[in-house]
Amino acid sequence: GENVEQHPSTLSVQEGDSAVIKCTYSDSASNYFPWYKQELGKRPQLIIDIRSNVGEKKDQRIAVTLNKTAKHFSLHITETQPEDSAVYFCAASPNTGNQFYFGTGTSLTVIP
Amino acid sequence: NAGVTQTPKFHILKIGQSMTLQCTQDMNHNYMYWYRQDPGMGLKLIYYSVGAGITDKGEVPNGYNVSRSTTEDFPLRLELAAPSQTSVYFCASRAGELFFGEGSRLTVL
Repeated sequence: GENVEQHPSTLSVQEGDSAVIKCTYSDSASNYFPWYKQELGKRPQLIIDIRSNVGEKKDQRIAVTLNKTAKHFSLHITETQPEDSAVYFCAASPNTGNQFYFGTGTSLTVIP
Repeated sequence: NAGVTQTPKFHILKIGQSMTLQCTQDMNHNYMYWYRQDPGMGLKLIYYSVGAGITDKGEVPNGYNVSRSTTEDFPLRLELAAPSQTSVYFCASRAGELFFGEGSRLTVL
């Protein structure tokens, strides 16, 4: 099955700086890559996603990039704010199955 | 729409007891999932269903059972609870993206 690795496991940045979280996947059949944000004690919620026919996608301060050849994708958060502090999960979903495979999460702390 | 609703939110079980975590969605999604979340381990898929009457094992199915008699409901059954099943359980449904419930925190003592 698919194996998704996520780095770093923890990340601290100063408010206003950028944060980058990286994920790799193993199954070349994966074609959908969502990112979820989970605030403390809350449910994971989708913040952005990308499909394999696109190399980059932006939504205000958040962007995701995908390199299919290298099998890695990254989340970029610019101008970080304290409310960005949360755990972020990447995931991959193969087009041959119905499952989502999650990374182990990155705990982001934005220091005011 | 209420989305995905899970009950109970918290529960304490004794070793060897059984219980059912309930999950209901009102979005008419065919795909439903049960995940468990352990610290530092991300979300691991327990079971999933692609429609009423159809279920399949995920990455960590041992010690659990599911049923899907209707589109709306996807209960997760724990038989003979063990301390290793202490976790936060999330139910989700899918229409493209995953929609998660609020989670059920289960402790087995």
